[in-house]
Amino acid sequence: TQTVSQSDAHVTVFEGDSVELRCNYSYGGSIYLSWYIQHHGHGLQFLLKYYSGNPVVQGVNGFEAEFSKSDSSFHLRKASVHWSDSAVYFCAVSANTGNYKYVFGAGTRLKVIA
Amino acid sequence: GGIITQTPKFLIGQEGQKLTLKCQQNFNHDTMYWYRQDSGKGLRLIYYSITENDLQKGDLSEGYDASREKKSSFSLTVTSAQKNEMAVFLCASSTGGYAEQFFGPGTRLTVL
Repeated sequence: TQTVSQSDAHVTVFEGDSVELRCNYSYGGSIYLSWYIQHHGHGLQFLLKYYSGNPVVQGVNGFEAEFSKSDSSFHLRKASVHWSDSAVYFCAVSANTGNYKYVFGAGTRLKVIA
Repeated sequence: GGIITQTPKFLIGQEGQKLTLKCQQNFNHDTMYWYRQDSGKGLRLIYYSITENDLQKGDLSEGYDASREKKSSFSLTVTSAQKNEMAVFLCASSTGGYAEQFFGPGTRLTVL
């Protein structure tokens, strides 16, 4: 069974700063990894996904994430945040077993101070 | 583009009551999901349906029933509402497999 951990419940940065949101998973086989964003009062929106190939994947709005098999990680980064990036970010993982179930992390609340 | 509609937006029920939440999508997606989101926590999968005539239990299915009435709609029933299950229920759909999921705005359940 796959598990996912987002170690930081809250992250606060200033507008224009870079940010990294951490995601670690545990599963021995091939795995799908995704990041989603949730603005207050809304459902989740897809940001990006990784399964194979280039370990750095680009997403919407300048977000990128890097997969590391050795660290079992899939951290999300943005070089320069905007106040509108304030939201909760969820990492999700799915083991490539054919049941198509994703396990979501507890989320990291990002606050960007203008 | 498409949209996922969840009704009602707010649902208030009495403890022990049977309550139904509805979800409609016009993406023509095959797969639909129901998740529960407790305050400050991640999402937990309740039920999902890979295709129109399929129903699969998630990790949190006890106390819930689900029904995929047609390709575009997926309902969730709380069989006996409990005060400790006040949460936001999110519906999602995807083209299937490991594709990205599209989420509705949620139904917030309050149990009195």
